[in-house]
Amino acid sequence: GQQLNQSPQSMFIQEGEDVSMNCTSSSIFNTWLWYKQDPGEGPVLLIALYKAGELTSNGRLTAQFGITRKDSFLNISASIPSDVGIYFCAGFTGFQKLVFGTGTRLLVSP
Amino acid sequence: DAGVIQSPRHEVTEMGQEVTLRCKPISGHDYLFWYRQTMMRGLELLIYFNNNVPIDDSGMPEDRFSAKMPNASFSNLKIQPSEPRDSAVYFCASSSGTGIQPQHFGDGTRLSIL
Repeated sequence: GQQLNQSPQSMFIQEGEDVSMNCTSSSIFNTWLWYKQDPGEGPVLLIALYKAGELTSNGRLTAQFGITRKDSFLNISASIPSDVGIYFCAGFTGFQKLVFGTGTRLLVSP
Repeated sequence: DAGVIQSPRHEVTEMGQEVTLRCKPISGHDYLFWYRQTMMRGLELLIYFNNNVPIDDSGMPEDRFSAKMPNASFSNLKIQPSEPRDSAVYFCASSSGTGIQPQHFGDGTRLSIL
């Protein structure tokens, strides 16, 4: 089946550093989404990407939809402690079904 | 605006008991999704509904699992009989079906089967 692989699996950084994480797939996706999950809560949508090559920002977050539609990256600039959480990429397979990536766990040291 | 509301937030029960998880989607959303999250398998789609009708239940692990959506503002997921391997966090999500719309998640039900 379709799978989304995220890297790195986890990151431990200092407050103020920039962060970059990736999501790749062997299949083409029409839409990519990036979610963040805080402990004890459900995933919250950060950014949605609808077109190949699209670059979208949301505050300190920037995400890009790869030209091949098989990958995406998420950057966080000037990280802060509340950025801690698990970041998931997700792709629509059509018919409203989402496939989620394996997640990148981010820890930020003050 | 109220988001997706799930209840209970936590459930601990003994193996063999029936478990019922509940979800109230965002008003006006016509798609509702049930997911299960575990360390081993991540977030898995179990079943989803459109306009209260089940569209795809291929992710439902066994016949012990069932889900219904009697109206646009409520859905439940039942496990009967429950087993320890059903322990996980179960999420409900909803979306508006106009085009490709992101799903909005509830805070989940943490289920522990002893």
